[in-house]
Amino acid sequence: KAGVTQTPRYLIKTRGQQVTLSCSPISGHRSVSWYQQTPGQGLQFLFEYFSETQRNKGNFPGRFSGRQFSNSRSEMNVSTLELGDSALYLCASSLTLGQGNGYTFGSGTRLTVV
Amino acid sequence: AQRVTQPEKLLSVFKGAPVELKCNYSYSGSPELFWYVQYSRQRLQLLLRHISRESIKGFTADLNKGETSFHLKKPFAQEEDSAMYYCALNLDGETSGSRLTFGEGTQLTVNP
Repeated sequence: KAGVTQTPRYLIKTRGQQVTLSCSPISGHRSVSWYQQTPGQGLQFLFEYFSETQRNKGNFPGRFSGRQFSNSRSEMNVSTLELGDSALYLCASSLTLGQGNGYTFGSGTRLTVV
Repeated sequence: AQRVTQPEKLLSVFKGAPVELKCNYSYSGSPELFWYVQYSRQRLQLLLRHISRESIKGFTADLNKGETSFHLKKPFAQEEDSAMYYCALNLDGETSGSRLTFGEGTQLTVNP
């Protein structure tokens, strides 16, 4: 079956712009989480969605937001982009919420802010 | 505060040698720990979860609550084991969600 699909793979934006990234989970997976990966900070949790509701949020400013649709697909949005937002954004899906469910990660969207 | 520490950024061993990737955590609750691996040009993937106590690709990891450690071990390293390894702690969210706190990762190189 198809894995977690993230689009686009690469993106270049200018400071001040906004960006939307998309994630399609594995069929049947209902939980979608987002992570930011940078050389300096490593992998950091952004948020988690389940049944179209945000269930968990990391320590990121309000410029970072997301949503989940009824088909479990998810989008994240970053407004007023800053140079420091340049990163690999990873989406991960799992069957349900809670402990014991290992995530399946996508290949990520590489965002470069210039 | 919860934290995962992988003290070695780089680890190099020879093929056939034993390998141990260290992971220590700090968490006041009952921890759930994972090892994830990222091979060159591939996506991050789950290697082990402590709750299942399984062995994947010859790797094992035992949770030691007394030492707050979850070290990853393999008795005989292979060249194809060369990759970035991340230890991760799963935290329950307020509404039964979850979130992973990752360590900084250890780049393992297995030399021929």
